[in-house]
Amino acid sequence: EVQLVQSGAEVKKPGESLKISCKASGYSFTNNWIGWVRQMPGKGLEWMGIIYPGDSDARYNPSFQGQVTISVDKSITTAYLQWSSLKASDTAMYYCARRFYQLGSGSNWFDPWGQGTLVTVSS
Amino acid sequence: DIQMTQSPSSLSASVGDRVTITCQASQDITNYLNWYQQKPGKAPKLLIYDASNLETGVPSRFSGGGSGTDFTFTISSLQPEDIATYYCQQYDNLLFTFGPGTKVDIK
Repeated sequence: EVQLVQSGAEVKKPGESLKISCKASGYSFTNNWIGWVRQMPGKGLEWMGIIYPGDSDARYNPSFQGQVTISVDKSITTAYLQWSSLKASDTAMYYCARRFYQLGSGSNWFDPWGQGTLVTVSS
Repeated sequence: DIQMTQSPSSLSASVGDRVTITCQASQDITNYLNWYQQKPGKAPKLLIYDASNLETGVPSRFSGGGSGTDFTFTISSLQPEDIATYYCQQYDNLLFTFGPGTKVDIK
């Protein structure tokens, strides 16, 4: 079964650092891009960025460039999203999702999704 | 970058009603358009890919259409379990944009 399991909820103070994880299983981790999506409380989905585990090539939504870092550890088939200095406005649910790519057609979509990691930043 | 709009932002309909949501892209995206369903407290779930292709296991009352800049998502007969927010999403190489979502409720 293709599955993404994310790390648990976090409560942090402004200025603190944080790294959340997304453990993949059931498919070839190195050959499939993994993306991160933010959902602020009561709001919609925002694509943050995506990484190719095979060579750690990462692409970012310009709105998130420089605000977060996406990385992977191939040895444990895990992707990460990290902040060096959290702000209250980073309070949100964060989802990872595999970018499925259909050879030949070029079609792609996000599936499956992790269960989400709730990050709360408050003094 | 490509912007996505959806309308309406919310709707309320009766069980059995036909429901249609529209999604518009700021430029031609051919058929590079997916639809997701997000139930309260849950992760999004893919329903339709490439504008009109139903994901395996998704009920046939869901359908999608359109190409270029204008797309539609339809629930032919609304069921209580369809209460959710629906998002369109475009992809352009490795850049992705979600629409703002349409919240569907039962009247």
